[in-house]
Amino acid sequence: SQTIHQWPATLVQPVGSPLSLECTVEGTSNPNLYWYRQAAGRGLQLLFYSVGIGQISSEVPQNLSASRPQDRQFILSSKKLLLSDSGFYLCAWSLNNRYGNTIYFGEGSWLTVV
Amino acid sequence: AQSVTQLGSHVSVSEGALVLLRCNYSSSVPPYLFWYVQYPNQGLQLLLKYTSAATLVKGINGFEAEFKKSETSFHLTKPSAHMSDAAEYFCAVTMNTGFQKLVFGTGTRLLVSP
Repeated sequence: SQTIHQWPATLVQPVGSPLSLECTVEGTSNPNLYWYRQAAGRGLQLLFYSVGIGQISSEVPQNLSASRPQDRQFILSSKKLLLSDSGFYLCAWSLNNRYGNTIYFGEGSWLTVV
Repeated sequence: AQSVTQLGSHVSVSEGALVLLRCNYSSSVPPYLFWYVQYPNQGLQLLLKYTSAATLVKGINGFEAEFKKSETSFHLTKPSAHMSDAAEYFCAVTMNTGFQKLVFGTGTRLLVSP
């Protein structure tokens, strides 16, 4: 069966510091990968998605970037964090061979920028 | 572009009462629709999904939802609420063409009282 791992679970970082959140999927190959952010009191916003190694699409302009160095690894980064980057970040994956596939989420990472 | 509206950021019910969480969608093409549940400090778990088969979809934990094209709705129901149903519920939509991007509503928090 497939599993998704995301870490760290919680992170407190000062403004201006770098960020790296990692996500790996096991039990499948060539998945679609996603990063979502959930801000307090708001829904989920799609930040990035990837259909293959090195292929990243950004949904909103912001202070963050994503990379996919390996087939089942997805990394969310920032060179300098802003207070507004605080939130709950969710990595997710889906099969990419047909429409209507379920998107499966990791357990999330709480980021607090202070 | 597709979108989702969830009416009511909070819904309160008594244990044993009917649960009704509302979701209306907007999509220029036939949609796929999902309901996810999120327990505190956790990722999202799929409850059920509609992918153009039966319009009445049964999910986990006794939940079900009915796709009504004429009303552009996909409301989530459960005949009898349990305390363990207290969580946040998200409706989401994606198109059946092109790359699958899941667009979420802002969520509805379900409160269950004894």
